[in-house]
Amino acid sequence: NAGVTQTPKFQVLKTGQSMTLQCAQDMNHEYMSWYRQDPGMGLRLIHYSVGAGITDQGEVPNGYNVSRSTTEDFPLRLLSAAPSQTSVYFCASSRTRTGELFFGEGSRLTVL
Amino acid sequence: DAKTTQPNSMESNEEEPVHLPCNHSTISGTDYIHWYRQLPSQGPEYVIHGLTSNVNNRMASLAIAEDRKSSTLILHRATLRDAAVYYCILRASSGSARQLTFGSGTQLTVLP
Repeated sequence: NAGVTQTPKFQVLKTGQSMTLQCAQDMNHEYMSWYRQDPGMGLRLIHYSVGAGITDQGEVPNGYNVSRSTTEDFPLRLLSAAPSQTSVYFCASSRTRTGELFFGEGSRLTVL
Repeated sequence: DAKTTQPNSMESNEEEPVHLPCNHSTISGTDYIHWYRQLPSQGPEYVIHGLTSNVNNRMASLAIAEDRKSSTLILHRATLRDAAVYYCILRASSGSARQLTFGSGTQLTVLP
C-alpha cells in the first residue's frame, strides 16, 4: 500500500519556467489537498478537491493551478515559477472531509 | 474560518506526561478537532481527532473542553521520539471544505 506518492522529491527551476508536481493516492480518497511549507512556518493550504472534477482555492492559491480528472491524481501546476514559490510542497488526502489526513513525503522546490 | 492558537514551544522530561493545549474559541458545531505532528524533513503525521467526546488511541489522548473552545493533546509518557512540532487544526463537516491552515504549531522538546 503506497499511500500518498509525490514526485519529484527535489526540483530546481529558473524564474519563469513551468512545472507540475505530481500527487497520487491509492486509497480511493475523495479529499485531496496541496500545502506549502516555508522555513520555520506551518503548512498553508494552496488548493483542495472534494472529489473528481471539483477543486477550490485555499489560503494561498495565486500562481498555482490544479485539476482533478481522476480520484487518484491531483497535480499541482506552476505556470511561471517565481523565487517566492521556493518551498516544500506537501500533498495530502483523506477518505472524508473530516477524517484523518495522509501526507506525502514532500517535494522540495527551489526557484532561482 | 475558525482559528486555533497554540504555544510556540514546550518542554517535557522523558517518561513524563505532556499536555499540549490548543485554543479554538470560534469553533463551529460541525468542526472536528485534529492533531498532527511533524518531524524534521518529514510530512505531518496524524495523531488523533475528535468532535465532542474525549478520544484515546495508541499514540495519545484528546481531551475536549465541554464548550469545545479548547482541547488538549495528552502524551502519557513522552519519549525522545515524541520530539516534534504538534499542530492543532479544525476540519469542517459542512459548508466550505477549506480547512484551517496549520499555523506554526507547538515545538515539543523532550529532555532525557
